[in-house]
Amino acid sequence: GENVEQHPSTLSVQEGDSAVIKCTYSDSASNYFPWYKQELGKGPQLIIDIRSNVGEKKDQRIAVTLNKTAKHFSLHITETQPEDSAVYFCAANTNAGKSTFGDGTTLTVKP
Amino acid sequence: KAGVTQTPRYLIKTRGQQVTLSCSPISGHRSVSWYQQTPGQGLQFLFEYFSETQRNKGNFPGRFSGRQFSNSRSEMNVSTLELGDSALYLCASSLGRATLGEQYFGPGTRLTVT
Repeated sequence: GENVEQHPSTLSVQEGDSAVIKCTYSDSASNYFPWYKQELGKGPQLIIDIRSNVGEKKDQRIAVTLNKTAKHFSLHITETQPEDSAVYFCAANTNAGKSTFGDGTTLTVKP
Repeated sequence: KAGVTQTPRYLIKTRGQQVTLSCSPISGHRSVSWYQQTPGQGLQFLFEYFSETQRNKGNFPGRFSGRQFSNSRSEMNVSTLELGDSALYLCASSLGRATLGEQYFGPGTRLTVT
């Protein structure tokens, strides 16, 4: 079945620095890749997503890149702020209805 | 627009009991998916309901079941609870099929089995 590896598991940055989280998937049928942010006591919130026909997508300080050949995709957060501190999850979805999540990255932004 | 709501938010049950969790999706959304979140196993897909039909099922035992009503509200049932069923149960709704587009998660139900 699909396997999604997410790295690093924890990431600590200074406010204003950039943060990068990487995911690798195994199922070549995966074609939709969402990223979620989960704050303490809340459910995951979709922050950005990318489809397999696109290589990069940007939304203000957040960007996602996809390399289909290498089967990996990455989340980039620039100019980090303390409120970006949370757990971030990547996921790889297929049209057949399979949705596999990475194990999560705990991001801490130090003021 | 109201978000996804889940009831109850917290639940304590004893081994061997059964439990029913409820999820109300965003108005107009037809798909409801359920996930189990634990520190050890992460986020794992349980099942998806779309238009009252189960469309996909994850790798969980038959003790886990669900249903969806005509108003898209969904319930999840776990019978013969085990200690390992202690987890945060999340539901997510989407306009169309879950894996094809944006999913919106509820706050979850924290189930503790003693």
